[in-house]
Amino acid sequence: GAVVSQHPSWVICKSGTSVKIECRSLDFQATTMFWYRQFPKQSLMLMATSNEGSKATYEQGVEKDKFLINHASLTLSTLTVTSAHPEDSSFYICSADHVQQYFGPGTRLTVT
Amino acid sequence: KQEVTQIPAALSVPEGENLVLNCSFTDSAIYNLQWFRQDPGKGLTSLLLIQSSQREQTSGRLNASLDKSSGRSTLYIAASQPGDSATYLCAVSWRAGAQKLVFGQGTRLTINP
Repeated sequence: GAVVSQHPSWVICKSGTSVKIECRSLDFQATTMFWYRQFPKQSLMLMATSNEGSKATYEQGVEKDKFLINHASLTLSTLTVTSAHPEDSSFYICSADHVQQYFGPGTRLTVT
Repeated sequence: KQEVTQIPAALSVPEGENLVLNCSFTDSAIYNLQWFRQDPGKGLTSLLLIQSSQREQTSGRLNASLDKSSGRSTLYIAASQPGDSATYLCAVSWRAGAQKLVFGQGTRLTINP
């Protein structure tokens, strides 16, 4: 139980385009989900806390207009990277809160 | 500022050895501490979760201890195997509820056959 999926697992896009990443809790409902970013050989950094039915809370230094988060249901949160640039290339991981956090498998974003 | 530090950044040992990974944290008023494993290019696998009221947790060959007063946790791996090669991350939550986790930088472990 407590499985979290992410889609897509990897994506390549051109600079200036937008990319949407989905995070789903498959067998439980999650009022709160979290989005993390991980650069190569670095640890996970929390980007934002996604709350179902309300606005996301962004960490200091994360541009909310660039990283749009929507938590439209208790099993789905989406992260849209708008006008992506090569420096946005990273590994994005979501987690869903269900007593403890359960993590998705991650999405590798490469912006060319 | 609440921070988590892991030392060493990388560790290489021969197969069969017992080893210890270290995690330290500022602010001893933690809610819980969690150890994760991450394989290259993959997500996180939760290994052990220690609540603030606990001193240790065990799962198979893994044992995690917690000493809040000194701001430290250790992950002990017994009889290491090549399959244990991965990056091990320590993460701390300082409050209950939908908790924000603060991660350490990780220890990249290599077990040599």
